[in-house]
Amino acid sequence: DGGITQSPKYLFRKEGQNVTLSCEQNLNHDAMYWYRQDPGQGLRLIYYSQIVNDFQKGDIAEGYSVSREKKESFPLTVTSAQKNPTAFYLCASSAPGDNWAQYFGPGTRLLVL
Amino acid sequence: ILNVEQSPQSLHVQEGDSTNFTCSFPSSNFYALHWYRWETAKSPEALFVMTLNGDEKKKGRISATLNTKEGYSYLYIKGSQPEDSATYLCAFQANSGGYQKVTFGTGTKLQVIP
Repeated sequence: DGGITQSPKYLFRKEGQNVTLSCEQNLNHDAMYWYRQDPGQGLRLIYYSQIVNDFQKGDIAEGYSVSREKKESFPLTVTSAQKNPTAFYLCASSAPGDNWAQYFGPGTRLLVL
Repeated sequence: ILNVEQSPQSLHVQEGDSTNFTCSFPSSNFYALHWYRWETAKSPEALFVMTLNGDEKKKGRISATLNTKEGYSYLYIKGSQPEDSATYLCAFQANSGGYQKVTFGTGTKLQVIP
């Protein structure tokens, strides 16, 4: 089955701790994205990547870091510099052949202890 | 940060009613306008991606139009059914320096009352 997987489903972070959210896709998509959703708000773009070893900051990149070492994987690290990390995080991928329509993973909910 | 606005924020309609929502977006660096449906406990799902001014797309009872010159898109649902209840998101895709950045609106939450 082709699709996007995110793990874990729930993640707990202690103060001062870095945590990494996983996103993997087997759709052979070139582009991958990370979004954050807060209650009552839409999806806000954190980082995106169109090719391996290249990524761009989105609108709310501060306190986050990413890597794109493989086409299939785009992990997001929430660093201790992110002072309000509690949110729902969605990963997506897209390809030019599909007009860049985004396919989303199931999401990870991050909670701060 | 690009401004992508959706209205109304929420909507309650009776089963069988037709309804429509609006998405407004910047008119510069336009590449595409996306519509997604996001049902509770599921992931957002693409409905349409429109790239040309005047483009119209249709999928069953749902259709969308695009006006890139004035920067708006409408999503129409004909004869709403309870299963149409979801949040509908639009997303503006800009082409800037070869990068395809996507900005989502805050969504319109539709509740169809049986």
